[in-house]
Amino acid sequence: KAGVTQTPRYLIKTRGQQVTLSCSPISGHRSVSWYQQTPGQGLQFLFEYFSETQRNKGNFPGRFSGRQFSNSRSEMNVSTLELGDSALYLCASSLGQSANTIYFGEGSWLTVV
Amino acid sequence: SQQGEEDPQALSIQEGENATMNCSYKTSINNLQWYRQNSGRGLVHLILIRSNEREKHSGRLRVTLDTSKKSSSLLITASRAADTASYFCATDYSGGGADGLTFGKGTHLIIQP
Repeated sequence: KAGVTQTPRYLIKTRGQQVTLSCSPISGHRSVSWYQQTPGQGLQFLFEYFSETQRNKGNFPGRFSGRQFSNSRSEMNVSTLELGDSALYLCASSLGQSANTIYFGEGSWLTVV
Repeated sequence: SQQGEEDPQALSIQEGENATMNCSYKTSINNLQWYRQNSGRGLVHLILIRSNEREKHSGRLRVTLDTSKKSSSLLITASRAADTASYFCATDYSGGGADGLTFGKGTHLIIQP
């Protein structure tokens, strides 16, 4: 079956703009989580959604937000982009229960100029 | 803050040799997962080991978990050039990824042909 799909794969934005990234989880998965990966900070947890509800949030400013739709697809939004937001944004999906494997998509490369 | 710490940060070996990477973490976990990441790509899930398991195998991969020492190791036997990648351990202490996986900085493995 299809894996986790993220769009777009690459994008360039200007400081101050906002961006929306999309993620389609593996069919049947109800949990979608987002991670930011940068060379300096590594992989960091942004937030996780389960059945359209945010279950937890990492230590990121309010400019980072997300949502999940009834079909489990998820979007994350970053407003007022800063140069430091340049990163690989990874979406992951799972069934959402303990000891479930968490599968990642290929990521969306965001460059802020 | 990152809970997992991989060791070594970089490892270069000859094709056919075995590669061992270690991971240490700080708090009690529900499970630990190992991932591989090729340059610029998403994370590929390798193995999940539960806190009540001590060893798991998958093909040329062997993972051990020592909860008393809060450490895990990943062994890749008979390495191939295609194994060149970064390897991350990720701990899940909440179950289901609700609090997010906590990643280490990764071990960059280079297999010399």
